[in-house]
Amino acid sequence: DTGVSQDPRHKITKRGQNVTFRCDPISEHNRLYWYRQTLGQGPEFLTYFQNEAQLEKSRLLSDRFSAERPKGSFSTLEIQRTEQGDSAMYLCASSLEASGTYNEQFFGPGTRLTVL
Amino acid sequence: AQTVTQSQPEMSVQEAETVTLSCTYDTSESDYYLFWYKQPPSRQMILVIRQEAYKQQNATENRFSVNFQKAAKSFSLKISDSQLGDAAMYFCASTGGGSQGNLIFGKGTKLSVKP
Repeated sequence: DTGVSQDPRHKITKRGQNVTFRCDPISEHNRLYWYRQTLGQGPEFLTYFQNEAQLEKSRLLSDRFSAERPKGSFSTLEIQRTEQGDSAMYLCASSLEASGTYNEQFFGPGTRLTVL
Repeated sequence: AQTVTQSQPEMSVQEAETVTLSCTYDTSESDYYLFWYKQPPSRQMILVIRQEAYKQQNATENRFSVNFQKAAKSFSLKISDSQLGDAAMYFCASTGGGSQGNLIFGKGTKLSVKP
């Protein structure tokens, strides 16, 4: 396994279009996180999954944002009716969660979204 | 709410010298973890070093070490014998509380290494 992968690496879209990003975590990892990173800022937490269950989604930026993780494997993040303010790097991270311990999050390379 | 503050937007160090990056945090959690992540240009973020808050001993990973001052809520990163490959954005982060394990990041410090 070569780590967390994300597709596409870059996406340019016009305002109002829908976009979907994919994240493939490290295969044995049961937790998957989505973050957004804007220019000059650190990553900002959006949502996370434990296996296929989305356990926190209140940090999603608006109801235009949604995420899924069918079957507890890969995940998708969709942004509907994109706005220029959605332009950012979207990062995915995965970890192996075990009771009583905190395990490292491994990050993917990110998808850079540009909304024109 | 948990916050992480990095007060140095940019730092510069001469190759082979030592540099210290600063970080302060605020949390109401009694059990938490602190991290330094490195993000090279156009490459993915990697973990440099981690510190469990309940451990008094400062973490060390080869040339990287931290100065963890729990009472002051300070968590600085020291890079010894700096190398050209150390040039990157460095982010300080803490766990966000609860069981979800998400990270709270600072704004980052851009480190340049001069040959």
